[in-house]
Amino acid sequence: AQSVTQLGSHVSVSEGALVLLRCNYSSSVPPYLFWYVQYPNQGLQLLLKYTTGATLVKGINGFEAEFKKSETSFHLTKPSAHMSDAAEYFCAVSEGRGGADGLTFGKGTHLIIQP
Amino acid sequence: ETGVTQTPRHLVMGMTNKKSLKCEQHLGHNAMYWYKQSAKKPLELMFVYNFKEQTENNSVPSRFSPECPNSSHLFLHLHTLQPEDSALYLCASSQLQGDEQYFGPGTRLTVT
Repeated sequence: AQSVTQLGSHVSVSEGALVLLRCNYSSSVPPYLFWYVQYPNQGLQLLLKYTTGATLVKGINGFEAEFKKSETSFHLTKPSAHMSDAAEYFCAVSEGRGGADGLTFGKGTHLIIQP
Repeated sequence: ETGVTQTPRHLVMGMTNKKSLKCEQHLGHNAMYWYKQSAKKPLELMFVYNFKEQTENNSVPSRFSPECPNSSHLFLHLHTLQPEDSALYLCASSQLQGDEQYFGPGTRLTVT
């Protein structure tokens, strides 16, 4: 079984400030980890993913995330927030290719950008 | 068309109507999914199809009936819905279960 916890249902940062969205997971096997972004009334868009190899992964729109096995975390960061980053962000975990449970999503974090 | 498409984008239906949502993926994927997303609730996985076979049904009421005629198409047939079924219905696909999923834009359903 797998699960995801996203700390903070709402995060507010100033434009130009660091963005940090937290994600912790549990998995009985080495996980695959994902971050998705959702703009209002749209589907989810993949930001980045970790499968194996380098633990720091870079994604689209200047986002990156680091897999820390010892902390069971996969936090999402961006050095400088832009107004267009305002959206809902979802962390997800799977048991890898062919995993029977597919993806398990967190409850989401709403990112608010203050001008 | 590329990616995952969903039609219609918006649907308003009465509780006695029958309608269907359509999803099509142009990615050559083998797994397809239906999700329900309600306001202020987590994303809910409804159905999973893997190589056209249904592999998961998360205790979804029988008024929702999925159909997967081939690996590229997925339908969600709706009948005698309730107002609480109003939500954004998202379709997704992946190469295999456990891989990253690609989502369609969703169908915004309103039940009156």
